Amino acid sequence: GAGVSQSPSNKVTEKGKDVELRCDPISGHTALYWYRQSLGQGLEFLIYFQGNSAPDKSGLPSDRFSAERTGGSVSTLTIQRTQQEDSAVYLCASSLGPPLLAGSQYFGPGTRLTVL
Amino acid sequence: GENVEQHPSTLSVQEGDSAVIKCTYSDSASNYFPWYKQELGKGPQLIIDIRSNVGEKKDQRIAVTLNKTAKHFSLHITETQPEDSAVYFCAAKDSNYQLIWGAGTKLIIKP
Repeated sequence: GAGVSQSPSNKVTEKGKDVELRCDPISGHTALYWYRQSLGQGLEFLIYFQGNSAPDKSGLPSDRFSAERTGGSVSTLTIQRTQQEDSAVYLCASSLGPPLLAGSQYFGPGTRLTVL
Repeated sequence: GENVEQHPSTLSVQEGDSAVIKCTYSDSASNYFPWYKQELGKGPQLIIDIRSNVGEKKDQRIAVTLNKTAKHFSLHITETQPEDSAVYFCAAKDSNYQLIWGAGTKLIIKP
């Protein structure tokens, strides 16, 4: 079946503009994660959704970042008033169930965001 | 909370030789340890994982070992090939059941 898909694959924007990044998880996966990866760096956790529960937003770096997940499937990560330091690859991952039960996360190809 | 350290940050080995990447973790309650491979321009992909009730797991040229007492686990790649060149990440599932990630190891296979 299809894996995790993300769009757009690349996004170039000007400082101060808002951007929306989209993630389509694997069908049937109830858990969805957003990560940020700066050039040559590791994965920085941003936010986690599990079913209809309130999301874990503990990784969001500022109130300019928000995310939602509609109908327990597609998720959108929104960055308002983008700054140059927001430039990074934004990765989405999904897993079959909550972390307690399921370990494997399946990643999408990422969206490369460049803020000029 | 959990802290995962990964070494080395860069590893260069001759094609055909073995490569070993090591990670340590701090939360003794952690019970799941996956390894991911990230090729250029792609998202990380799970290559092997191990649970705390097992000491070693193998899958063809890849193996992972876990030492719970010392709180470290390692990835072993034998008979390395050019396609093994990538960045490898380790992770540990902490007591809150979230994955805590290592910083990554860039593996370079020299022809």
